[in-house]
Amino acid sequence: EPEVTQTPSHQVTQMGQEVILRCVPISNHLYFYWYRQILGQKVEFLVSFYNNEISEKSEIFDDQFSVERPDGSNFTLKIRSTKLEDSAMYFCATQTGMNEKLFFGSGTQLSVL
Amino acid sequence: AQSVTQPDIHITVSEGASLELRCNYSYGATPYLFWYVQSPGQGLQLLLKYFSGDTLVQGIKGFEAEFKRSQSSFNLRKPSVHWSDAAEYFCAVLNNAGNMLTFGGGTRLMVKP
Repeated sequence: EPEVTQTPSHQVTQMGQEVILRCVPISNHLYFYWYRQILGQKVEFLVSFYNNEISEKSEIFDDQFSVERPDGSNFTLKIRSTKLEDSAMYFCATQTGMNEKLFFGSGTQLSVL
Repeated sequence: AQSVTQPDIHITVSEGASLELRCNYSYGATPYLFWYVQSPGQGLQLLLKYFSGDTLVQGIKGFEAEFKRSQSSFNLRKPSVHWSDAAEYFCAVLNNAGNMLTFGGGTRLMVKP
């Protein structure tokens, strides 16, 4: 089965630093998402992205967060100035079309110290 | 706003026993419902989904789920659990626009030998 690839698998950073989480979608996928899971809590939606623009975002996705697909392949999530509460597992997910199967990556564990 | 509740945080069953994981949803229209499984250190894998039609849906790994509109439920079942089924299970509902999943809090399944 095709896979969504996320890098790095683990990221440790100091509070206030910028981090970029990377996702390589499956090649013919057009819809892209970021979700996160704080330890012991539920998986939460952050943002959806289609046709080079955000189509939906949650309250969590504030001005500190941004997404882009700069080179037509990688789909990135940037956190401009990390906070302790940003520590979580971040999942990228992609799909070919609406209501098609959503493929999740194995996640990036972000630890903010 | 849509929401998903998984009443059982932890469930322990013996290998070979039957399993039922509960999921209740709150949604204004006909819901699109999903069950995902997450093994330690892994991403989310789709077990099955319900969009319309037959209210009993079959998934991978011998799982099935039944949509009951009158009870706002979408419980996951398996007739005989295997040790490899130990994982965390998430129920989710898709929004109208089809671009945001709302997850339940998850149920952690442990399997006794």
